[in-house]
Amino acid sequence: GENVEQHPSTLSVQEGDSAVIKCTYSDSASNYFPWYKQELGKRPQLIIDIRSNVGEKKDQRIAVTLNKTAKHFSLHITETQPEDSAVYFCAASGYALNFGKGTSLLVTP
Amino acid sequence: SQTIHQWPATLVQPVGSPLSLECTVEGTSNPNLYWYRQAAGRGLQLLFYSVGIGQISSEVPQNLSASRPQDRQFILSSKKLLLSDSGFYLCAWSLPVGEQFFGPGTRLTVL
Repeated sequence: GENVEQHPSTLSVQEGDSAVIKCTYSDSASNYFPWYKQELGKRPQLIIDIRSNVGEKKDQRIAVTLNKTAKHFSLHITETQPEDSAVYFCAASGYALNFGKGTSLLVTP
Repeated sequence: SQTIHQWPATLVQPVGSPLSLECTVEGTSNPNLYWYRQAAGRGLQLLFYSVGIGQISSEVPQNLSASRPQDRQFILSSKKLLLSDSGFYLCAWSLPVGEQFFGPGTRLTVL
């Protein structure tokens, strides 16, 4: 089955800096790669996703890149704000989503 | 629009007791349905998924089971809870390919 590795497990940045979270996957048949943000005690919410026919996607301060050959994809958050603090999960899907273990991002003012 | 409901929101159960968590989806037909468990401070573990009524795929062998008696109803059950069953249980739905939408979750504590 699909195996998704996510790094780092924790990340602390100062407000205004950029944050990068990286994931690798094992199943070359996976074709959908979403990123979810989970605030404490709440459900995960989709923030951006990318399909395998696209190499990069951007939505305001958030961008995702995908390298199918290397089987890795990354989340980039620019100009971070304290409200970006949360746990972020990557996932890969050919059918059911397989999630990484999450990255706890802390943005300090 | 589509909505997903889970209940109860919180549950405290003794070890060895049975469990039944329910999830329902509104506003869509024949969704894929999923059960995840999230232990404290940990990632999302896929437990079961279903592509149709009566069709259940199990991802992790354990003392839990799932059923889908109706198109938009997904139930997670156990005959005897273990301490290790404590966690945050999330139901989710999706179309065959694409974004998964999560329910509000059930926080289960087994004592």
